[in-house]
Amino acid sequence: QSALTQPVSVSGSPGQSITISCTGTSSDVGGYNYVSWYQQHPGKAPKLMIYDVTNRPSGVSNRFSGSKSGNTASLTISGLQAEDEADYYCSSYTSSSTTYVFGTGTKVTVL
Amino acid sequence: EVQLLESGGGLVQPGGSLRLSCAVSGFTFTNYAMNWVRQAPGKGLEWVSAISTSGSNTYYADSVRGRFTISRDNSKNTLYLQMNSLRAEDTAVYYCAKKEYHRTTLWGQGTLVTVSS
Repeated sequence: QSALTQPVSVSGSPGQSITISCTGTSSDVGGYNYVSWYQQHPGKAPKLMIYDVTNRPSGVSNRFSGSKSGNTASLTISGLQAEDEADYYCSSYTSSSTTYVFGTGTKVTVL
Repeated sequence: EVQLLESGGGLVQPGGSLRLSCAVSGFTFTNYAMNWVRQAPGKGLEWVSAISTSGSNTYYADSVRGRFTISRDNSKNTLYLQMNSLRAEDTAVYYCAKKEYHRTTLWGQGTLVTVSS
């Protein structure tokens, strides 16, 4: 099972909005509404930011939002802040034998 | 306090074995499926394995199937990962994680496994 495809890096200035894409296939992203997004700061464990494509866990800022179109899911961060600088990974349920697959990861830089 | 505490990592030679443990506290362990996820140094996340609440159903990534075995002891609130026939490419931080439906809601801090001669 191949990893989902994400851009290597995305950057933006404070206050701007950025969008990270996550492209898979009809066997994973396109076939199920089970896409999650995780934030990881250096040396730290990942943190769940979005689940089931659009849902935000309690405690996660509403500046984070998720969407999906076809085989591509997206994470949008609005009102970019310095603390949003981190690595972001998408993940999806997959009908292949591996069950779950992560994206390649995107480094977000706040300029 | 909700906590997942991994242990058992270390340096092992290629072809060797290691057993990782994850002690869980702060939530009802028996109610949740669990995952192992790993991250090679400087690389991205890779889902490794999952286990159902009772332990009767287990799932593996193609890269570890046949070499790794996930298990749990619900009486001890502990998750395990038995790793055999280890390879250099298995070198990674291994995270224990709480699974809720199709998402991972809580992660441990990880334990480093280094496979090298």
